[in-house]
Amino acid sequence: DSGVTQTPKHLITATGQRVTLRCSPRSGDLSVYWYQQSLDQGLQFLIQYYNGEERAKGNILERFSAQQFPDLHSELNLSSLELGDSALYFCASSVRSSGMETQYFGPGTRLLVL
Amino acid sequence: QKEVEQDPGPLSVPEGAIVSLNCTYSNSAFQYFMWYRQYSRKGPELLMYTYSSGNKEDGRFTAQVDKSSKYISLFIRDSQPSDSATYLCAIKGGSEKLVFGKGTKLTVNP
Repeated sequence: DSGVTQTPKHLITATGQRVTLRCSPRSGDLSVYWYQQSLDQGLQFLIQYYNGEERAKGNILERFSAQQFPDLHSELNLSSLELGDSALYFCASSVRSSGMETQYFGPGTRLLVL
Repeated sequence: QKEVEQDPGPLSVPEGAIVSLNCTYSNSAFQYFMWYRQYSRKGPELLMYTYSSGNKEDGRFTAQVDKSSKYISLFIRDSQPSDSATYLCAIKGGSEKLVFGKGTKLTVNP
């Protein structure tokens, strides 16, 4: 168990809908990362937050947004969902030690868009 | 050219075999090299990391980096059925962003 929690574990929804994925980082970790994993694209970095502020953006679509709250949990909002958004969504939190940052991944949310 | 290339396999070996997993990368600015293991229906977990050329050992696992060739490898000695998983290489430059390979699915048969 990495200490990172994600809810829900599974989500089934329809095209055009909006969903919210939730992540709680490990205790004390200030950084939260969101990733999307699909069979054809692999694990793709979406966005990073550090202590409530957006730190870095990756391949995140405009239909997607995220935020990190004062208690450090984070939410990823996916709107106007398309079939191609079906994927595993992972959250990771990180700690820096000896100059090296290590990311710890949650168990993921499996999203199926029908 | 993709930043990180990894042969997706699948790779199937008998128990006790030596396994070699490899990735190539294109950006010479990458400094940190990691291997993650992902069991089915789980999140990736960090297996090993290194930030220099050469070898790093941890039990049955050896990570190897050749910066001149932009080539990284993970060797698993005396492979066990419990090693059956997808192995992802991940590479990082100066920013916090990790770039992952697509993963190689490994099955170790008893």
